[in-house]
Amino acid sequence: GAGVSQSPSNKVTEKGKDVELRCDPISGHTALYWYRQSLGQGLEFLIYFQGNSAPDKSGLPSDRFSAERTGGSVSTLTIQRTQQEDSAVYLCASSLVLRGSGTDTQYFGPGTRLTVL
Amino acid sequence: AQTVTQSQPEMSVQEAETVTLSCTYDTSENNYYLFWYKQPPSRQMILVIRQEAYKQQNATENRFSVNFQKAAKSFSLKISDSQLGDTAMYFCAFMSYGGSQGNLIFGKGTKLSVKP
Repeated sequence: GAGVSQSPSNKVTEKGKDVELRCDPISGHTALYWYRQSLGQGLEFLIYFQGNSAPDKSGLPSDRFSAERTGGSVSTLTIQRTQQEDSAVYLCASSLVLRGSGTDTQYFGPGTRLTVL
Repeated sequence: AQTVTQSQPEMSVQEAETVTLSCTYDTSENNYYLFWYKQPPSRQMILVIRQEAYKQQNATENRFSVNFQKAAKSFSLKISDSQLGDTAMYFCAFMSYGGSQGNLIFGKGTKLSVKP
């Protein structure tokens, strides 16, 4: 079946502009994650959605970052007033949630490479 | 807080040889999962192998196997009969079991080059 998809594949923007990154999880996966991969920081957790529960936003680096998940499926990560340090690859992952044992293996999309000039 | 350490930033191996990538982690939890992911230049993060901490038997997936030492908090990946397509970044990752969060905590990665 189809895997996790992300769009756009690459995004170049100017400092100060807003950007939206999209993630389509695997059908039937109720858990969705966003991670950021940058040269200096490695892979960092940003935000986690599980079903209709309030998202876990503990990894968001600043209030310029926000995300939503509509209808329990597609998710959009929004970065407002982008800064050069936001340049990174943004990865989305999805997983099943196993009753009584938390979340299952996460499957990743191909990522969006964001470059802020 | 959990941490994952990969002490080998880069490694190389000859095609058909065996290579072992190291990973250690720190946690006070007893139940968790450990993973190895592979990230080729295409950027796609691909699951290589997974280990549940409550299982004593080491996980294997074809040419990939792990040496899981729970007491030592060590989780190394062995790649046998290395192939050119194994060239990639390899990330070790930790995930709590049964929590409400379940995000992965990654090591910094090991860049593996398989040489012909």
